[in-house]
Formats: sequence, C-alpha cells, structure tokens
Amino acid sequence: DAKTTQPTSMDCAEGRAANLPCNHSTISGNEYVYWYRQIHSQGPQYIIHGLKNNETNEMASLIITEDRKSSTLILPHATLRDTAVYYCIVRAYYGGSQGNLIFGKGTKLSVKP
Amino acid sequence: DSGVTQTPKHLITATGQRVTLRCSPRSGDLSVYWYQQSLDQGLQFLIQYYNGEERAKGNILERFSAQQFPDLHSELNLSSLELGDSALYFCASSETARSGNTIYFGEGSWLTVV
Repeated sequence: DAKTTQPTSMDCAEGRAANLPCNHSTISGNEYVYWYRQIHSQGPQYIIHGLKNNETNEMASLIITEDRKSSTLILPHATLRDTAVYYCIVRAYYGGSQGNLIFGKGTKLSVKP
Repeated sequence: DSGVTQTPKHLITATGQRVTLRCSPRSGDLSVYWYQQSLDQGLQFLIQYYNGEERAKGNILERFSAQQFPDLHSELNLSSLELGDSALYFCASSETARSGNTIYFGEGSWLTVV
C-alpha cells in the first residue's frame, strides 16, 4: 500500500507557483521521498527526490519538513503543459521489494490559463 | 525521452491468446521493472529483475511471466489472456536496485484484449 496521502485534485493559474502537498507521517529514516508525474497516459516522468534536505532541480523544488512527515513539491512557474497527475512516493533506502515504487492515486493538477 | 524503449506500442489480441512485450532499458541500467496500469487499478508493480535475476515480485498473475536476458533487455509474457488484462504496461529501469537510483519509465505498451 502507498504510504502517502495527497489531495485528489488541485488547480493552479498559469504562471503561478504550484505547491503540491504530501503527507507521509509513517516514513522511516531510511526512506526517500520521490515525486513523479504522469501526463495523460504517457509513462510516469521522474521529477525529483530527497531524503532529508530540500532539493531543487530544473523542474521543481522539494521541501521536506524537519520531522520528515510531510513534503511539498513546488513547480515555480506552472504552465499548461504541467497539467498531470502528480505522485508522491515513499521508497525504502535498500533494494528488494521495498525499493520499488508503489504508486497511490496522486494529485490531479490542472493548470488553467 | 527517458531512454527506455518498449515494443510494441499498441497490441490488439483475442481472449485466450499469448503475447510478449519487450523492453530495452537505458544504457547501463541493470535493473528492470514492469508495471501494469488499468483504469480501475492505477499503476501496479508487477515484477523486478536485476542483472538477469528476479529481484522482487508484486501483483503479478501466474499467467504472466517475465525474464531479463544477458543483454539486459526484458520480456513480459502474458498468456491465456482475459478481457481484464487490457491495460497499459510500463517497463522501467534503473542503474542498480538501490533505492537512491532513479527509476525511469518507458512510454508503455497498450494491450487491448477483445
């Protein structure tokens, strides 16, 4: 079962920042937080991941709370092409079955003009 | 482009038949994963291979099997197909099986069973 809780859907105005929250209150110390998105029925696209520290790349920023029980994915300037389902996934540090990605239902982000 | 290649992109077959889906992982990636996405079940993990050996098994039916070959490509075999097997099947790959390595997905194979 997925170890995360995300809102079912969110709207964001084009050009504004999209902040997608994720609750992972049962996360263990050796588990990463990963974010993927899926546009329509394309393959899931990797966005970013982190363990303890905040992370930033060319696509997004990931803010993890100090207690690691929740995180926020930030798309700084959302465009219409960012409309997708966003998945927050907790992934164990070590390999084996716990190292696989277990997808929940995600958040459907709609970016509106 | 993730670098993970899946063929065929679309496949229509009849109930009771058998099909093979093929996946070429990203160059250098040793681990391959298979996922199934149907309308009512979402993205479900099926099975993982690492360097030719089965590493983890998820919700994979006994009618389904997979293997990873010495050149690291993988095949997912689906037999005795049922209407409910109609779904999008994704292959993904990562450099190793460690959780710190990012998993990259292909564009999927659409299977329609009629």
